[in-house]
Amino acid sequence: QVTLRESGPALVKPTQTLTLTCTFSGFSLSTGGMCVSWIRQPPGKALEWLALIDWDDDKYYSTSLKTRLTISKDTSKNQVVLTMTNMDPVDTATYYCARLREGSGNDYWGQGILVTVSS
Amino acid sequence: DIQMTQSPSSLSASVGDRVTITCRASQDIRNYLAWYQQKPGKAPKLLIYAAITLESGVPSRFSGSGSGTDFTLTISSLQPEDVATYYCQKYDSAPQITFGQGTRLEIK
Repeated sequence: QVTLRESGPALVKPTQTLTLTCTFSGFSLSTGGMCVSWIRQPPGKALEWLALIDWDDDKYYSTSLKTRLTISKDTSKNQVVLTMTNMDPVDTATYYCARLREGSGNDYWGQGILVTVSS
Repeated sequence: DIQMTQSPSSLSASVGDRVTITCRASQDIRNYLAWYQQKPGKAPKLLIYAAITLESGVPSRFSGSGSGTDFTLTISSLQPEDVATYYCQKYDSAPQITFGQGTRLEIK
């Protein structure tokens, strides 16, 4: 059974760095073809892809946010971590992590975590 | 970056209607296209991947078609539980993943 769960702060202040952790089970990120993405959704708005890390430790970032994002994995802990620097109120959103099997889309998602940016 | 444009942005249809949502890519994305259904307060659910492949457990009234730049999600007979927002997604592992802006589907 594949599960993913996001964890991190619900509230951050402007200019702070956000660190989110995705803890997953039911698959290994060292298996060929496996990837984990981070995706966010501001309240009432569309989904926005942020970053992806694959089984080979290759990392990909949204063009518009790549200077602020870092994605990493700890295969032994089954975790993927996303950091986003210089948070702003416009970054208020529900942040999701999701598994992506190469060629198959995001087939399993976490429940999401609402992060509010406010002083 | 490749842009994904969905149409319409919203639609209203009756139970039993055939519903079609389109997604256009600004460049050829071969068949790297997925469709998702999102209900309020929930994470998106994968419906279709590789443009035409139905994800396991998804009702057969959902189908996908297209390749290259033009794609379609069809619901053959709309059911009340299909009320949701639908997103297309261009995906592959290198280097960019992009979602469409979403289509909100309501029942008349």
